Amino acid sequence: QSALTQPASVSGSPGQSITISCTGTSSDVGGYNYLSWYQQHPGTAPKLLIFEVYNRPSGVSNRFSGSKSGNTASLTISGLQAEDEADYYCFSYRNDTTRVFGGGTKLTVL
Amino acid sequence: EVQLVESGGGLVQPGGSLRLSCAPSGFTFSTYWMTWVRQAPGKGLEWVANINQDGSEKYYMDSVKGRFTISRDNAQNSLYLQMSSLRVEDSALYYCARDGVPAAFDSWGQGTLLTVSS
Repeated sequence: QSALTQPASVSGSPGQSITISCTGTSSDVGGYNYLSWYQQHPGTAPKLLIFEVYNRPSGVSNRFSGSKSGNTASLTISGLQAEDEADYYCFSYRNDTTRVFGGGTKLTVL
Repeated sequence: EVQLVESGGGLVQPGGSLRLSCAPSGFTFSTYWMTWVRQAPGKGLEWVANINQDGSEKYYMDSVKGRFTISRDNAQNSLYLQMSSLRVEDSALYYCARDGVPAAFDSWGQGTLLTVSS
């Protein structure tokens, strides 16, 4: 099962905004609004940032926002902070019985 | 507080078997879908399997179908992953996660490490 396509790395300076893309097909990203994003710092478990494309769980900063257009979803982080340096993963339904993660994106805060 | 604690990882030879467990607390386990996710060292996250509230629906990634079995015991508050015919490429940190919001994982354990090696 092939992973959703994410850029391997992105970078930005403190205060800037960055966007991470997650590209799939009409069988996954484009076919469902069940798209979520996770942040993972080294040595820790992933943390849910966004679910159902653009919804934030309680406690997640509003600097994190999600969107989707066609077969590509995006995570935008505004007002970049040093603590945002981490790996980010998208996740989607693929058909009704399969799920799939993106390959992951390493965010570097310069 | 929601907690998920995995156990059962270890070193296994190729072709061997092992059962992972996940002990949930702080929520009504029987009302949630649950999922196993794995992460090989230095690699990305990989969805492995999930199970519905009463265990009647189970889904797997292609590479583990026929080798892994997800199950749960709601009376004992436990989630399991029975793994057989293990391969080197199954080596990973295995997380259990709660499907707490629509189609997403709002709680994760800290993982249990499986190493498949001769």
